[in-house]
Amino acid sequence: QSALTQPPSASGSPGQSVTISCTGTSSDVGGYNYVSWYQQHPGKAPKLMIYEVSKRPSGVPDRFSGSKSGNTASLTVSGLQAEDEANYYCSSFAGSNTPPVLFGGGTKMTVL
Amino acid sequence: EVQLVDSGGGLVQPGGSLRLSCAASGFSFGTYWMSWVRQAPGKGLEWVANINQDGSEKYYVDSVKGRFTISRDNARNSVYLQMNSLRAEDTAVYYCARGQASFFYWGQGTLVTVSS
Repeated sequence: QSALTQPPSASGSPGQSVTISCTGTSSDVGGYNYVSWYQQHPGKAPKLMIYEVSKRPSGVPDRFSGSKSGNTASLTVSGLQAEDEANYYCSSFAGSNTPPVLFGGGTKMTVL
Repeated sequence: EVQLVDSGGGLVQPGGSLRLSCAASGFSFGTYWMSWVRQAPGKGLEWVANINQDGSEKYYVDSVKGRFTISRDNARNSVYLQMNSLRAEDTAVYYCARGQASFFYWGQGTLVTVSS
């Protein structure tokens, strides 16, 4: 199975909203409500920002939100802040397929 | 506090072996799936393998099947990745992570470099 498809880059000015898409297939994103989003700053381990499509772990600001429509999931960052500049990766459970977990190629978020 | 500490990386020649370890603390280790995820230099994340709570289910990405083995020792709160027949394309930072498909906690990563 191929990796999930994300745009390589996204950008916005402080205070704006930016949305990143993550496109898969009916065998992964579209077939399960197990889409996650991770934030990774350079040289650091990834941090879970959204799980099960739209749930936020404790401590993640409510500026981060997730959704899904068909085979495409989305991460929206509202009220963009300088510290949101990072790489963002989506992932999805893919059931009995191989591999059972797929990641997207990543999106570099730039705060202008 | 949940902690995952990765270790065991290093420089190895093509065809060689390494065993990565991940020591867990701060949670009931034996009740969670555990996974390994890698990141090649300058590249994105790639899921590598996972293992269920009692070690009876193990899954691998196709590119490592037959070469890598994931295991766990619940008495030692640790998960391992035995890597054999290493190739240049296995060069990456390897992270252990808690979970089956959503990874709430990650180790700091350990760098594996395969080069002659």
